[in-house]
Amino acid sequence: EPEVTQTPSHQVTQMGQEVILRCVPISNHLYFYWYRQILGQKVEFLVSFYNNEISEKSEIFDDQFSVERPDGSNFTLKIRSTKLEDSAMYFCASRGDSSNQPQHFGDGTRLSIL
Amino acid sequence: EDQVTQSPEALRLQEGESSSLNCSYTVSGLRGLFWYRQDPGKGPEFLFTLYSAGEEKEKERLKATLTKKESFLHITAPKPEDSATYLCAVQEGETSGSRLTFGEGTQLTVNP
Repeated sequence: EPEVTQTPSHQVTQMGQEVILRCVPISNHLYFYWYRQILGQKVEFLVSFYNNEISEKSEIFDDQFSVERPDGSNFTLKIRSTKLEDSAMYFCASRGDSSNQPQHFGDGTRLSIL
Repeated sequence: EDQVTQSPEALRLQEGESSSLNCSYTVSGLRGLFWYRQDPGKGPEFLFTLYSAGEEKEKERLKATLTKKESFLHITAPKPEDSATYLCAVQEGETSGSRLTFGEGTQLTVNP
């Protein structure tokens, strides 16, 4: 069964450094998402992406964050100048072209900022 | 602002002891309500989508129902492998990005 894959599974970075989290969505999906889950808290929406542009973003997704689809298979989340509070699980999700289709999630990247 | 509240926060059952999880929501125009299962260290795994009040979906020991204000996930004769955190999420109205708003989840433990 097709699945969303994310790399790395765990990323440890010094505060102030830049990180790039990578995702390979399901191949025929057109809508892509990033969510995060701080330890012990709920899953929170960050951004959605369609047709090579951001379609929606939350208040969390400020100028520190950016997303890109650099080629036909990868979808990346870049976090510039990381802060301690950026430590969380980051989940990528994708869905097909019908709004009735569910979002399918990867297993996440655990980001630890030291 | 969308609100999704799940109860209880945690539930312990004996194997075979049926129960229900609750998800209450307030949105301005529900587009879909989603149930996911999350195992430790994993991403949410899709279970069901419900679109309108009165709708029901079933999969093995799980059955999801929907009213205008809440959804229930009924677990019949659970097994230890059903232990996980169950997440409810809503998709609201005609938002262009179809974001999901999640509840806090119910952590289910089924003891043998």
